[in-house]
This record gives sequence, C-alpha cells and structure tokens, in this order.
Amino acid sequence: DTGVSQDPRHKITKRGQNVTFRCDPISEHNRLYWYRQTLGQGPEFLTYFQNEAQLEKSRLLSDRFSAERPKGSFSTLEIQRTEQGDSAMYLCASSLGEGSIQYFGAGTRLSVL
Amino acid sequence: EDKVVQSPLSLVVHEGDTVTLNCSYEVTNFRSLLWYKQEKKAPTFLFMLTSSGIEKKSGRLSSILDKKELFSILNITATQTGDSAIYLCAVVKAAGNKLTFGGGTRVLVKP
Repeated sequence: DTGVSQDPRHKITKRGQNVTFRCDPISEHNRLYWYRQTLGQGPEFLTYFQNEAQLEKSRLLSDRFSAERPKGSFSTLEIQRTEQGDSAMYLCASSLGEGSIQYFGAGTRLSVL
Repeated sequence: EDKVVQSPLSLVVHEGDTVTLNCSYEVTNFRSLLWYKQEKKAPTFLFMLTSSGIEKKSGRLSSILDKKELFSILNITATQTGDSAIYLCAVVKAAGNKLTFGGGTRVLVKP
C-alpha cells in the first residue's frame, strides 16, 4: 500500500497524559498536513509542512500541540497534557505541490477519558 | 472568515434514486473546490474543480462549479448502497495550501 499511513489507528488515554501520532505520507509528496475532525463536523486544518519546514499553524493548535517533520518524510503530532476536548479523529494528508490534490490517511482516533 | 456550507445535512434515499448535494462558499482568492467521500475513516478524493461551468464526471458521479454564484453541486445517479457515506466539500485559496471543509452531507442509500 503506497498511500498515506497513520499510526496508531486508535488511542485511548487518560486526561493529562501525553500522546504522539505518526504519519507517513505518499513517498514523493513534499507537503504534509494535519487536520482534526470531531463527530458530525468536517475536518479542520491544524498545520502544514513543506519538506521539513512547518509553514502554517492554525490558532486551533494550542501550546500543548506540537508537530514535527524532521527529515521531510514522516511527521509526528504530539499532544501534551491531553484534555477531554482533544478527543477527535486526527487526519494526515499529503500532496505533491501547491494547489494539488491532498490524499488522506485513515486517521488516528483519540479518546481521552 | 472563510466559510463553506453544505446542504442538506443528511438525506435518505432508495437504490436507484438520484441525489444532488450542494456546497456554497465564501472565500477570498479562491483557487479550487474539492469533493471527498468519507465512508469510515479516510476521506477519498472525488473531484477537483477550478473552472466554472465545466462538468466533471466519474461513472455515476458528476460535479460542476459556479464561480459567479459561489457554489458547487455533486450529483449521484442510480444510487447504490455503496454510495452511503459522508460527502465533504472543501475549498483551497490561491497561494494557500490548507483545505477549508464544510460540515459534510451524510447520505444513506437503502436497498
């Protein structure tokens, strides 16, 4: 499978714990995006990388959230001191260039108890 | 603030029916509009529209964009149970990269 892959698929954690998600984009894609989707809503943009540079961050991305793409390939999204409001599906997408189609991974569903 | 609104929120049809989904937008410096289908997890790409009035077709699905009236429609003809999904509309701005999504339309096709 050469699509976007995300790991883990599901994560259950207790409030206050830290969690980290991983995204592996389509191999030749230099752009990588993180979105968050809550039940009944469309995905909301969190942040975007071009190669290893983080070029845009949403105001939704509080100080507890950090994303990296150290070698311009896979990316990680870390949430520190999780809160119940962080419960959502975290989607990763990648694309080849500006304005090109974004392809999504299956997402990581986070449940904060 | 950029806004994308989809209607209806949900609908239930029977196999063989035709459905029309609507997406209206208010975005400065519009570049393109995309439709995705989301069944269980990953949104899967359907269409990208950049020019007004040019219909895109893929099998029983088609879509068209009206840049003057700022909306797009997605049509599904001869619906099948496998068309049951959430259909998402998103816009991209010129010189931008993020997708701004609408809330989606949930379609249920009954046998």
